[in-house]
Amino acid sequence: DTAVSQTPKYLVTQMGNDKSIKCEQNLGHDTMYWYKQDSKKFLKIMFSYNNKELIINETVPNRFSPKSPDKAHLNLHINSLELGDSAVYFCASSQDPVPGDYGYTFGSGTRLTVV
Amino acid sequence: AQSVTQLDSQVPVFEEAPVELRCNYSSSVSVYLFWYVQYPNQGLQLLLKYLSGSTLVESINGFEAEFNKSQTSFHLRKPSVHISDTAEYFCAVSDPGNTPLVFGKGTRLSVIA
Repeated sequence: DTAVSQTPKYLVTQMGNDKSIKCEQNLGHDTMYWYKQDSKKFLKIMFSYNNKELIINETVPNRFSPKSPDKAHLNLHINSLELGDSAVYFCASSQDPVPGDYGYTFGSGTRLTVV
Repeated sequence: AQSVTQLDSQVPVFEEAPVELRCNYSSSVSVYLFWYVQYPNQGLQLLLKYLSGSTLVESINGFEAEFNKSQTSFHLRKPSVHISDTAEYFCAVSDPGNTPLVFGKGTRLSVIA
């Protein structure tokens, strides 16, 4: 069983479109995250939710809006996509906001390409 | 805020040779340290971690890392690498005060036959 699953795995879309990426975890974790990995492989935190509440919101354009309908799901909606949004987006989860014994469990990523 | 420096962006090494991937973090009273591995087109997998206790930690596939507080380092080593170790390796740090993992920029390990 996949612990953290993201859909879609690949997403190619045109500039200006609106798209969503979904993430689900079946680990019973309380905290979920979105990370962005750029073309140089650098990973940067975007958002973090704990029990459906936003606890971290880094400097991210407000075109990006996370939504957590329950603690097992954290979706990412992106409005008015730009070329610079092309990246791999990783969802992750942890038992609580402090990484602790198991660190974070990552999904396999969504490769977004904006053309 | 915590930061992580991985000094080498790429490390080529011949099969069965030893390797060291370097990681330094910004100083803090206490830290949690992690190494993650990312195989091509996959997500990140936890390789090993240091939370407290013994400063030498090991993974099940032969990697080890040593926490050195005075040098603020957490270098990853393996005495003999395999082709299958070819991957991107990320060092990450967090402090116990409720902050997210901060990642280094990664080191690409390429094992040459």
